[in-house]
Amino acid sequence: EDKVVQSPLSLVVHEGDTVTLNCSYEVTNFRSLLWYKQEKKAPTFLFMLTSSGIEKKSGRLSSILDKKELFSILNITATQTGDSAIYLCALTRNSGGSNYKLTFGKGTLLTVNP
Amino acid sequence: SQTIHQWPATLVQPVGSPLSLECTVEGTSNPNLYWYRQAAGRGLQLLFYSVGIGQISSEVPQNLSASRPQDRQFILSSKKLLLSDSGFYLCAWSDPYSPLHFGNGTRLTVT
Repeated sequence: EDKVVQSPLSLVVHEGDTVTLNCSYEVTNFRSLLWYKQEKKAPTFLFMLTSSGIEKKSGRLSSILDKKELFSILNITATQTGDSAIYLCALTRNSGGSNYKLTFGKGTLLTVNP
Repeated sequence: SQTIHQWPATLVQPVGSPLSLECTVEGTSNPNLYWYRQAAGRGLQLLFYSVGIGQISSEVPQNLSASRPQDRQFILSSKKLLLSDSGFYLCAWSDPYSPLHFGNGTRLTVT
């Protein structure tokens, strides 16, 4: 069975801090690993990672995948209160076709205090 | 551009009553459609997915069912709700060119 473990489960920081969120996984026939940000309602897509060692970057957020050690990290630099959210890690496997069934971790609840 | 609509946003239902949650997608054809539930532990659990009209796959045994009567419409139903059905239900879509995109969710409370 596919498994996604995120750590820490929750984290409280001050504005301006840098945070690293972790995601380790076990899957047969890996296809991709995705990060989502969930504030109050719908999770919004951040990154999709398929190759090891290639950093994806969007503003103050960046993520990288290590397919040998089976983990990914999400970095947020110079955090702001608007970064407060649940960050979800999910993975997909190759099962034929374009089906994007995701297996999610429990998420990391990030709270950024002013 | 593609949009996904899910309703209602919140719902309070008594135990034993029926349920119907609806989700529609615009701006794409033949999307894959999904129903997820997010319980208090915060992980998202896949309930159903559909790769085409009338094609439904169930991921976990439960008190719920899903239907896809039209290409871009996905419905989650129950004949008799249980207390354990309470949770946050999310509809999502994907196609060969994009990962999952979620609707705004329905918060269901069964009393």
